[in-house]
Amino acid sequence: AQSVTQLGSHVSVSEGALVLLRCNYSSSVPPYLFWYVQYPNQGLQLLLKYTTGATLVKGINGFEAEFKKSETSFHLTKPSAHMSDAAEYFCAVTKTFSGGYNKLIFGAGTRLAVHP
Amino acid sequence: EPEVTQTPSHQVTQMGQEVILRCVPISNHLYFYWYRQILGQKVEFLVSFYNNEISEKSEIFDDQFSVERPDGSNFTLKIRSTKLEDSAMYFCASKTSGIYNEQFFGPGTRLTVL
Repeated sequence: AQSVTQLGSHVSVSEGALVLLRCNYSSSVPPYLFWYVQYPNQGLQLLLKYTTGATLVKGINGFEAEFKKSETSFHLTKPSAHMSDAAEYFCAVTKTFSGGYNKLIFGAGTRLAVHP
Repeated sequence: EPEVTQTPSHQVTQMGQEVILRCVPISNHLYFYWYRQILGQKVEFLVSFYNNEISEKSEIFDDQFSVERPDGSNFTLKIRSTKLEDSAMYFCASKTSGIYNEQFFGPGTRLTVL
């Protein structure tokens, strides 16, 4: 079975500081990994995804994540936080080789607060 | 940019009543999903739908739940007899074919069962 663990339900950073949101996954097959962001009263928006190829993936709004198979991790980073980054971030995993209708398994989410 | 839409944004109902949550997926998408998020908990998969049939469902998706694509555009989730524990945010998602493609989510319907 697949699962996702996000360390830290709340993370607070200063504007301009490094953002690091942690995600570890468990999967018996090679995973596809995603980070979604949820702004207040909005749906889930894809930030970035890892499927195959380069393990460092870049997404929207200056975010990037690195797939580390040996550590079963897919941590999300941004060099310099902006006030507009305040939101809830979800890491998700899905199975490869399971057909086009793969369900997403989500982590519990990390709420990012950015203060001046 | 195309987007998934959901109606209503908020539904309040009495326990035991039937509710239908509506979604309009992105027009060229082929795979459709419902997820829910109980307040303070993680987003959970309910059901996936492809080629006019359920392709996978979770243990949450019992006989009280059903999905339908009644026409070429809408995708609905029906709860026949709502329970207090059905109170949650319900998200619809859709995707194109291709195993690398991501799911696009709607803004959600907040269901409150009294």
